Amino acid sequence: DGGITQSPKYLFRKEGQNVTLSCEQNLNHDAMYWYRQDPGQGLRLIYYSQIVNDFQKGDIAEGYSVSREKKESFPLTVTSAQKNPTAFYLCASSFRESYGYTFGSGTRLTVV
Amino acid sequence: DAKTTQPPSMDCAEGRAANLPCNHSTISGNEYVYWYRQIHSQGPQYIIHGLKNNETNEMASLIITEDRKSSTLILPHATLRDTAVYYCIVRPLIQGAQKLVFGQGTRLTINP
Repeated sequence: DGGITQSPKYLFRKEGQNVTLSCEQNLNHDAMYWYRQDPGQGLRLIYYSQIVNDFQKGDIAEGYSVSREKKESFPLTVTSAQKNPTAFYLCASSFRESYGYTFGSGTRLTVV
Repeated sequence: DAKTTQPPSMDCAEGRAANLPCNHSTISGNEYVYWYRQIHSQGPQYIIHGLKNNETNEMASLIITEDRKSSTLILPHATLRDTAVYYCIVRPLIQGAQKLVFGQGTRLTINP
């Protein structure tokens, strides 16, 4: 079955450390997205990528970085510059002309 | 900007129809109305979308007013598993990746 996989499901990080969240899809989707969700809030867009080797900043890109070296993969790095990294991170993908997004099950990051 | 307005919460009895309203008074002619839902601590799930005609699928029905300034998502026979946050989103369907902008959504609680 095709789908989108995020790992790990739970992640703990010490302050000052960078951490990378994985997102892999086997749906042959062109576009991929990273969202952040804080408790009781909606989703906010961090970065998105329409094609390999290209990506754009979303609404809250500061303190985050991404790469898109392969169509299937869109890892997100939460850097030490991100002031409040504790959140639920969601990855999604879509066809360029598709109707809907497919979301992963999310990674819950906690800074300790 | 989410461009949509939804009530923050609603309750519905199990087995009854759940009607979730959404206002999108500034919707453009080429923008579709999408509905997603998010069950606690999971990624959002696509439900349905429409342009101006009413739509129905195995999950729900979407009723869009003639002026397209509002819509209603209908879950015809709500079950406890339908308890979730429901997001109404407007988005143009044109070539190229289009990022979804999520608002606060409506927290729907199905009561036994």
